[in-house]
Formats: sequence, C-alpha cells, structure tokens
Amino acid sequence: GQNIDQPTEMTATEGAIVQINCTYQTSGFNGLFWYQQHAGEAPTFLSYNVLDGLEEKGRFSSFLSRSKGYSYLLLKELQMKDSASYLCALYHSGNTPLVFGKGTRLSVIA
Amino acid sequence: DAMVIQNPRYQVTQFGKPVTLSCSQTLNHNVMYWYQQKSSQAPKLLFHYYDKDFNNEADTPDNFQSRRPNTSFCFLDIRSPGLGDAAMYLCATSRMTGGTEAFFGQGTRLTVV
Repeated sequence: GQNIDQPTEMTATEGAIVQINCTYQTSGFNGLFWYQQHAGEAPTFLSYNVLDGLEEKGRFSSFLSRSKGYSYLLLKELQMKDSASYLCALYHSGNTPLVFGKGTRLSVIA
Repeated sequence: DAMVIQNPRYQVTQFGKPVTLSCSQTLNHNVMYWYQQKSSQAPKLLFHYYDKDFNNEADTPDNFQSRRPNTSFCFLDIRSPGLGDAAMYLCATSRMTGGTEAFFGQGTRLTVV
C-alpha cells in the first residue's frame, strides 16, 4: 500500500523561508523526490533523498527521516517565480514506478 | 536540448474519436511512464514500460492503451475519449525503476469537444 500526504496550499512572503512537509506510509522505500511544477508545465526535478538527513542545493534544501516517514522541502529567500506546485514523489520498493503526492500549491506574495 | 519530447503540445479531439499521443526520448532510458494530470491534481500513473514489459495500473480504464515499438518511442492511445479524459498527459522516462530521477516531457494538453 502507499499513501503520500502534503498540505494542499501554502502562502508565503517574498524573501521569507517556507517549509513544505510530506508524510508517507509505505511497505518499502527506495528514494523520495521533490519536483516543482509551474501551472501548465511539466514537473521539473528539485531534489532526491534516499538516506536520512538534509540535502542542500542553493536556495532549496530537502530533509528525510525514514523512521518517521517524513520529508520536507525548505525554500529560502523566496522569489515570486517560486510560486508553483511542489510535488513529493517516491519509489516504494523493488521495481516500482514513481508515485506522486497531490502536491502543495505555493503562492509567494509581495 | 529536449530529452523527452511530446507531440503535440495541445490536442483537441471529438468525443468518442480515437486519439494518439506520442512521446520520444533521447536518453536511452529503460523505463517510460504515462501520467494523467487533471487541473490542480497530482499526476496519476496510468502505466509504465520497463523495456518491453508493460505494467498497467489496476485503476487505469480499458479505454487507455499504450504501445512502445522501440526504446525511443511510446504512444498513448485513447480509444473513445470522453469529456472526463480532458487532462494534461505527461510522459516521463527513467533509467531504472526505484531510486532514479524521472525526466518529464512538456506534456500534451488534451481537450475533448
């Protein structure tokens, strides 16, 4: 079985920091991804976590705790162009396809 | 350079008229996926190919079929589109399943009239 939960919508101010959470239940685990998707466009890769801890990449960081079934995406120094949906996705185990959560729509306001 | 290419970007079809969406890749990846994404929803996996092995999701309607004639190309056939099939259709590829990044095409937005 599989279940991936994210908040539906979030709003944050330009220049601020925002944390988008993702919780999951799975019988196996083989990596968690974060994708960004602007309206009407395809998802683009942001980050990948397979081990516990924080992965930092510029303004974006992603954290994973496998024991808690929990990940977050941290966006710093928010810009208006960061307004998008952020999708948490994971591989469960073995040769399983990538499955997405419902996504979090982030609105960055001035 | 585009690595996963979907054609067309926008497709309008008539209710009940068969339509085919195409996807090609230059990455030589083993796995190709088709996702359906409706407005404000997450991409929903329809099926995927691992090489020539076809894997259908249990809740994918029979109205949706797929073909993968070779490594580079994959097609989505909708035999009798209904109004509820209007959506963005995303093709993606990955080198393997499990733990490898998926690369997406730009998507085809299907309108059913």
